[in-house]
Amino acid sequence: QLQLQESGPGLVKPSETLSLTCTVSGGSISNSNSYWGWIRQPPGKGLEWIGNIYYSGSTYYNPSLKSRVTISVDTSKNQFSLRLSSVTAADTAVYYCARTFGDSDSFDSWGQGTLVTVSS
Amino acid sequence: DIQMTQSPSSLSASVEDRVTITCRASQSISSHLNWYQQKPGKAPKLLIYATFRLQSGVPSRFSGSGSGTDFTLTISSLQPEDFATYYCQQSYSSPFTFGPGTKVDLK
Repeated sequence: QLQLQESGPGLVKPSETLSLTCTVSGGSISNSNSYWGWIRQPPGKGLEWIGNIYYSGSTYYNPSLKSRVTISVDTSKNQFSLRLSSVTAADTAVYYCARTFGDSDSFDSWGQGTLVTVSS
Repeated sequence: DIQMTQSPSSLSASVEDRVTITCRASQSISSHLNWYQQKPGKAPKLLIYATFRLQSGVPSRFSGSGSGTDFTLTISSLQPEDFATYYCQQSYSSPFTFGPGTKVDLK
C-alpha cells in the first residue's frame, strides 16, 4: 500500500525558506503513471494546490506561488521536496504531499500533513 | 484560473438522509471534477474522480454526476462516519483549484 510521509521543520522565521520532504513507501516514485504534488491548507481554511512534479523532474506550479516555489525529486531516495522562499505568516498552513495517478489528475494518496508555522 | 464554488457552504442532516452538494466551475471543465472528504485533523480522502468514477474502497452510497460547469455529489443514505467537509477539485487545467468546501454536520 502506497504511503507518503512529510518531514521538515514545523517553525520557520519570516523571510526565510520553508523546506519539506515527502518520502514515498510501498511504491516507486518513478511510476510512469504518477505525478507527485504539494497542497496546503491554512488553519481553518480550504485547500490550495502548490505544484506537481514528475519523476523525470518536469514540474508545474501554481502561478500564485511560482516565483517562490521549487519542487524537486530524488528518485534514488524515493523522495520529493518542496522549497518555498521568502515566507510570511500567510504561508502558515498544513502542508500535504500527495500523488496523482493516471489521467484524472485526482490526488488519490495523501500524506498525513505537517503543520508549518511562520513566526519569529 | 478556474474558480470553483460549492453550495451550500454547510448543511445539517440526520443519519439516513439523502444529501446533495453542488459544485460549479467558472468555465467548462468537461468531466475533470473530483470530490474529497476531509475529517478534522486528517488529510483529504479521494471519493470520486472524473465526475462519477468511485475511488476503490469508497462505499456505493456516494455518487457523482454532472458535466461542463455543474456537478453534484450525492450521499444516498448518510451514515455517522460521513459527517465531514467535502471539497470539489477541478483537474481540467493548471492551476488545479478546489472549491471552498461544504461542511456536513449532525442535525
